Amino acid sequence: EAGVAQSPRYKIIEKRQSVAFWCNPISGHATLYWYQQILGQGPKLLIQFQNNGVVDDSQLPKDRFSAERLKGVDSTLKIQPAKLEDSAVYLCASSLELSGNTEAFFGQGTRLTVV
Amino acid sequence: GQNIDQPTEMTATEGAIVQINCTYQTSGFNGLFWYQQHAGEAPTFLSYNVLDGLEEKGRFSSFLSRSKGYSYLLLKELQMKDSASYLCAVRDKGLNYGQNFVFGPGTRLSVLP
Repeated sequence: EAGVAQSPRYKIIEKRQSVAFWCNPISGHATLYWYQQILGQGPKLLIQFQNNGVVDDSQLPKDRFSAERLKGVDSTLKIQPAKLEDSAVYLCASSLELSGNTEAFFGQGTRLTVV
Repeated sequence: GQNIDQPTEMTATEGAIVQINCTYQTSGFNGLFWYQQHAGEAPTFLSYNVLDGLEEKGRFSSFLSRSKGYSYLLLKELQMKDSASYLCAVRDKGLNYGQNFVFGPGTRLSVLP
């Protein structure tokens, strides 16, 4: 079974530029998560989708971050404009359903460096 | 909201046993997960607890006490490859059933020869 795919693996941009990350979850997984992981910290939830609907985006900095999952499968996360403090690994994860003992499976992440 | 706490760093010796603790506060507990994350890699699932007690999986065991908001991950017969960060994550019912899969800060474990 293919895992969660993310691209690109690495990205370096200057502050105030924009960037987009792509995620393809495991086939059949209804729930998709985007996390931000700053070096030395645990993953911080940015947004959760159930199919193509947003379940929780309470910690997404909406003035600069946006995410969509138009057909309930792939998802993109965009930052515009980027700040230095956005340097982190952006992890996408998916799970079969929203509840119960279904664990989340993670992609390899995109390491973003803002200079 | 949730509050999840773990020790920042731990050190242990190869072949020993180590216990990594996690305390949490949630509004609607719906399960606790442990993940392992090697440097530069994605987190991988280790264990799940939703009822009180001990779950054993080979060298790894996880314990949960819901009344105390407490869990631990027990690693036996430590190997060098167990050097990694260990993340405690809680599924909290939140506003809607089954939402909010939230991670703690992680515990970085160093296994020494």
